Amino acid sequence: GENVEQHPSTLSVQEGDSAVIKCTYSDSASNYFPWYKQELGKGPQLIIDIRSNVGEKKDQRIAVTLNKTAKHFSLHITETQPEDSAVYFCAAHSGNTPLVFGKGTRLSVIA
Amino acid sequence: GAVVSQHPSRVICKSGTSVKIECRSLDFQATTMFWYRQFPKQSLMLMATSNEGSKATYEQGVEKDKFLINHASLTLSTLTVTSAHPEDSSFYICSARPRTGGLDTQYFGPGTRLTVL
Repeated sequence: GENVEQHPSTLSVQEGDSAVIKCTYSDSASNYFPWYKQELGKGPQLIIDIRSNVGEKKDQRIAVTLNKTAKHFSLHITETQPEDSAVYFCAAHSGNTPLVFGKGTRLSVIA
Repeated sequence: GAVVSQHPSRVICKSGTSVKIECRSLDFQATTMFWYRQFPKQSLMLMATSNEGSKATYEQGVEKDKFLINHASLTLSTLTVTSAHPEDSSFYICSARPRTGGLDTQYFGPGTRLTVL
């Protein structure tokens, strides 16, 4: 089955700097890669996703890149703000199977 | 659009009692709903997948007789934790896959914090 590795587990950045979170997956059949933001005591919120026919997708300060050959994808947050502080999860999906999540990255943006 | 609600948001119960958690898709029909459990500072662990009108599929290690799942309609799934014990205390999160659209989209509920005394 699919296995998703996520790094780093914790990340601290100064406000205004960029943050990058990386994930690798094992199943070459995976074709959908969402990123979720989870604030304390809340459910995960989808912030951006990418499908395997696209190499990069951007939405304002958030971007995701996908390298199918290397089987890895990354989340990029530019101009970080304190409200970006949260736990971020990557996930991978193929066919009719449930999403497989990474272990999460706790991002702290220091003002 | 694509809102999923959970009720209750928090519940505290005594050991040995049963607790029911509801998951509703508010503005779409969901053929499939998923139930996850999340312990502090850990990732989401899939417990079971439920399809409307059929029995749930449980992940390995999840007791189906303890975690009863009912998906009676296209907008409602319930998880009942039977004879709850302190080790069942956790954050329970559901997600719903829309009836229309791709097989990959999932929208998550806000979660239910269960504390068993």
